Amino acid sequence: GNSVTQMEGPVTLSEEAFLTINCTYTATGYPSLFWYVQYPGEGLQLLLKATKADDKGSNKGFEATYRKETTSFHLEKGSVQVSDSAVYFCALLYNQGGKLIFGQGTELSVKP
Amino acid sequence: NAGVTQTPKFRVLKTGQSMTLLCAQDMNHEYMYWYRQDPGMGLRLIHYSVGEGTTAKGEVPDGYNVSRLKKQNFLLGLESAAPSQTSVYFCASRASGGGETQYFGPGTRLLVL
Repeated sequence: GNSVTQMEGPVTLSEEAFLTINCTYTATGYPSLFWYVQYPGEGLQLLLKATKADDKGSNKGFEATYRKETTSFHLEKGSVQVSDSAVYFCALLYNQGGKLIFGQGTELSVKP
Repeated sequence: NAGVTQTPKFRVLKTGQSMTLLCAQDMNHEYMYWYRQDPGMGLRLIHYSVGEGTTAKGEVPDGYNVSRLKKQNFLLGLESAAPSQTSVYFCASRASGGGETQYFGPGTRLLVL
């Protein structure tokens, strides 16, 4: 079946450090892939997405490339800020009914 | 434009009590979803709707019912609450016709004692 696996958290980094959060998926066909972010006490917000192989999604300094050969969609940022502290969710779109399948989430804490 | 709103924000129930969670969206979206979020498990789909008057089961539908009588509203009901239903519930909506982004509400925190 379709599934998403993320690296476990929590991840703690110092400000200006490089961030990678790994995400791999299992799916039939060619799903669209997403990263959502959840700030403390809030709902999820779309961070970026990619709809086909080799697409790169980017937003707010974050990037992720849809790698079909490795079934991965790793999230990266070159220099994190304290304000990036949040939980990050990788997800794939299962087209029947437009359903999203989420990974378990990775908590990021950035220290000044 | 409020987006997706959820009522209530927080509720405490006793085992066996019933309640309804309300989700409303003002974006004229066709699709609506109810998820629950539990530690270490991400979000899991409870029920969803692809249009007014339609509903379908998601990954974890047992113990919940839903209704979509109006396009803008999607109700989630718990007929007889159980401690296992303690969770944070999120509603989401999205457009049809190729629009893939789901927009989420702020969540409802439910505690069942």
